[in-house]
This record gives sequence, C-alpha cells and structure tokens, in this order.
Amino acid sequence: ETGVTQTPRHLVMGMTNKKSLKCEQHLGHNAMYWYKQSAKKPLELMFVYNFKEQTENNSVPSRFSPECPNSSHLFLHLHTLQPEDSALYLCASSLTGAEEQFFGPGTRLTVL
Amino acid sequence: AQRVTQPEKLLSVFKGAPVELKCNYSYSGSPELFWYVQYSRQRLQLLLRHISRESIKGFTADLNKGETSFHLKKPFAQEEDSAMYYCALRGGNQFYFGTGTSLTVIP
Repeated sequence: ETGVTQTPRHLVMGMTNKKSLKCEQHLGHNAMYWYKQSAKKPLELMFVYNFKEQTENNSVPSRFSPECPNSSHLFLHLHTLQPEDSALYLCASSLTGAEEQFFGPGTRLTVL
Repeated sequence: AQRVTQPEKLLSVFKGAPVELKCNYSYSGSPELFWYVQYSRQRLQLLLRHISRESIKGFTADLNKGETSFHLKKPFAQEEDSAMYYCALRGGNQFYFGTGTSLTVIP
C-alpha cells in the first residue's frame, strides 16, 4: 500500500492496558504528525516530528508517548488511558513542515 | 481560543446552484490557509491552499486578510462535491483545523 498507512485500524483497550499505534509513510516525507479527532471537536494537533526531531508537543498528557525512529515511521504509545481518550487518531506526513499534509486512514480507539 | 471557525456544520444546495462554505480565522502572524476535503469512505486530502491561487475541481478560495476569511466557493455544485470540508490554518509549526462543514448536493 502506498501513501500513509496506519495500524491497527480499530483498537479497544482497557484503562490499564499498554498499546501502540503505528504510522508508516512511503512518500519520502520528512515531517510526520499525530492528530486526535473527537466527536464534535476540531482536529487537534498532538505532536509534530521534523527530520525525526519532535518540534511540537501541544500539551498532550504524558499517557501519550510518541516515538519517531526514522522519517518513515511514527508510533504513539498509549498507557493508562481514560475513556475520554476514545477518538479517531490520525497520522499525517508532509515533505517539509510547511507543505501539504497527506493523511492516513486513522485508528479508531475505544477506551473502556 | 479557536483559531479557525466554520459556522455551518451542515450545508445543502441543489445541483447546479452556487455554493459557499465559510471559514474565518484568528491569527496574529501571517498564516497559510488550506481547505481539506473528505469524501465518503476516503481519507482527508488537500483540496487547495491559498498560496497556490488555483482552482481545483471548480473550487476557489480567496484569502481576505481584512475580514480574516477564507471562504470556499464554487459557481455550480455537482453531486460528487458532497463531502466533509475542513478549513485549516498553518502558523509556524502549528496546524489548526475547523470543525468542518458537511456539504450535501441535492440532485
């Protein structure tokens, strides 16, 4: 599959679980992003990585921990989440931090 | 404070009628504005950006700095334009999205 891929597409987890979301892009981009999309709220930017370096962390709780081992892969590690963290988590990438963003299909997360 | 406001959650127009999706923004610097679109069962994708000044699929959007608006317009709506439209702003490394407007074009 080309473009931006995300796995898993759906995830149900308990509040004591630890899980990870994975994002991969095959576009040769250098910037990657995590967004949260909750019902009736705007898309919220969580983290930005540019050339593997985290450049933005928008006051995201520490129970969300990003990891960017290389320019093609981005992870979001989850632990001790709350039910209000249930949302669609979108990954995106762009050539640089200023260009068009290409989005993945998202991971639908449900925290019980 | 919300940076990007899309006042209409839902908008319905008849095929062939003009359509305008409103977007207002609040930003103190020099922002870059975008429109993204999400068709049914597809992922979010860029429709157009203000610096390109292009017309994509018949849509245009002009940045009005005086009114801090970036409304999306099309003179004759088509059924395939039915989708969710998001206005977005880039300021530095930050991106802000509106809540989206769901456009339905009635045959």
